[in-house]
Amino acid sequence: GAVVSQHPSWVICKSGTSVKIECRSLDFQATTMFWYRQFPKQSLMLMATSNEGSKATYEQGVEKDKFLINHASLTLSTLTVTSAHPEDSSFYICSAGRDTGNQPQHFGDGTRLSIL
Amino acid sequence: GENVEQHPSTLSVQEGDSAVIKCTYSDSASNYFPWYKQELGKGPQLIIDIRSNVGEKKDQRIAVTLNKTAKHFSLHITETQPEDSAVYFCAANTAGTALIFGKGTTLSVSS
Repeated sequence: GAVVSQHPSWVICKSGTSVKIECRSLDFQATTMFWYRQFPKQSLMLMATSNEGSKATYEQGVEKDKFLINHASLTLSTLTVTSAHPEDSSFYICSAGRDTGNQPQHFGDGTRLSIL
Repeated sequence: GENVEQHPSTLSVQEGDSAVIKCTYSDSASNYFPWYKQELGKGPQLIIDIRSNVGEKKDQRIAVTLNKTAKHFSLHITETQPEDSAVYFCAANTAGTALIFGKGTTLSVSS
């Protein structure tokens, strides 16, 4: 089956640091990748849709200057949390699909971000 | 936009029993409905999906039914096993490509 790799799996850093999370589709090309945020015991909240070669589309309430998304190739999207603060601590998960519309999305194993 | 409601939020069953999780959606344009299983500290894993041109789909112990008229779809797990214990999410696609998730159901299977 389709494999999506996310790295790092866990990061702890000081307040004010910027953190980059990578999401790779290992065995297929993903024109679109998605970034979600998940708080403990809650559902996945879509943050943004990342399109290869173009600007990401952010959901309402998500600060595009805080969460920088780059989708430079068909197999790699990155999320950078800039000047992270404790309230940015969360579980961040990416997903990718082979195509758009009604095709399966496959998720990475997530990145647990803890800001001290 | 799309809104997905999921019930129940928790479900406890005995090993061997069946488990049913139900979801409703609001956007009649949605045409893809996946179900994901999430274990602690992991990303969601796709377990089954259904498209709007199909009413039912089965894969071994797992089945999903879809009622487009009622905007309702359900996950059925038969002969539950302790390893089925996890959080299950239903989802529906939006007019674009993103998925909107239900709030999740924590399934506990006791032996």
